[in-house]
Amino acid sequence: DSGVTQTPKHLITATGQRVTLRCSPRSGDLSVYWYQQSLDQGLQFLIQYYNGEERAKGNILERFSAQQFPDLHSELNLSSLELGDSALYFCASSVWGGGETQYFGPGTRLLVL
Amino acid sequence: AQSVTQPDIHITVSEGASLELRCNYSYGATPYLFWYVQSPGQGLQLLLKYFSGDTLVQGIKGFEAEFKRSQSSFNLRKPSVHWSDAAEYFCAVAGDYGGSQGNLIFGKGTKLSVKP
Repeated sequence: DSGVTQTPKHLITATGQRVTLRCSPRSGDLSVYWYQQSLDQGLQFLIQYYNGEERAKGNILERFSAQQFPDLHSELNLSSLELGDSALYFCASSVWGGGETQYFGPGTRLLVL
Repeated sequence: AQSVTQPDIHITVSEGASLELRCNYSYGATPYLFWYVQSPGQGLQLLLKYFSGDTLVQGIKGFEAEFKRSQSSFNLRKPSVHWSDAAEYFCAVAGDYGGSQGNLIFGKGTKLSVKP
């Protein structure tokens, strides 16, 4: 158990819909990262937050957004969903976000029908 | 741009045999390197990491990796594979997006199968 929790574990929805994925980092970690794992793209970095502020953006679509709240949990919002958004979405956390070890949650598997 | 290459998509070894998974990275500065393992339906578990110092690093479950700057490689090794090692293995380098060396850039992964 990494100490990072993600909810829900599974999500099935329809094209055009909007979903919210939630992540709670390990106790004491200030930085949260979101990654997407798909068969064709592999594991890709989406976005990073540190202590409530956006720190870095990767290959995140404009239809996707995220935020980190004062209690340090984070949410990833996916809107206008397309079939190709079906993937495993991981959250990871680290102490300060400068390249040190990241601990991954179990992931949320999203299926868009 | 930073990148990680894992040349082997799938490797099969016999139980008890030795294992080496290859990883090559492209990064301008001193890299932070990681190996993660993902079992079916599971998240990613850190096996080991290299930040600096001794180029041979020990990890969990009997794994080790050697950082070779001249070859831009960080290969993962295990002297004797167990059936429970069957999983997918990912090499990663801490990238540099917007000046923050925090996010990870992953290779495509190597799937390990273990024959009894």
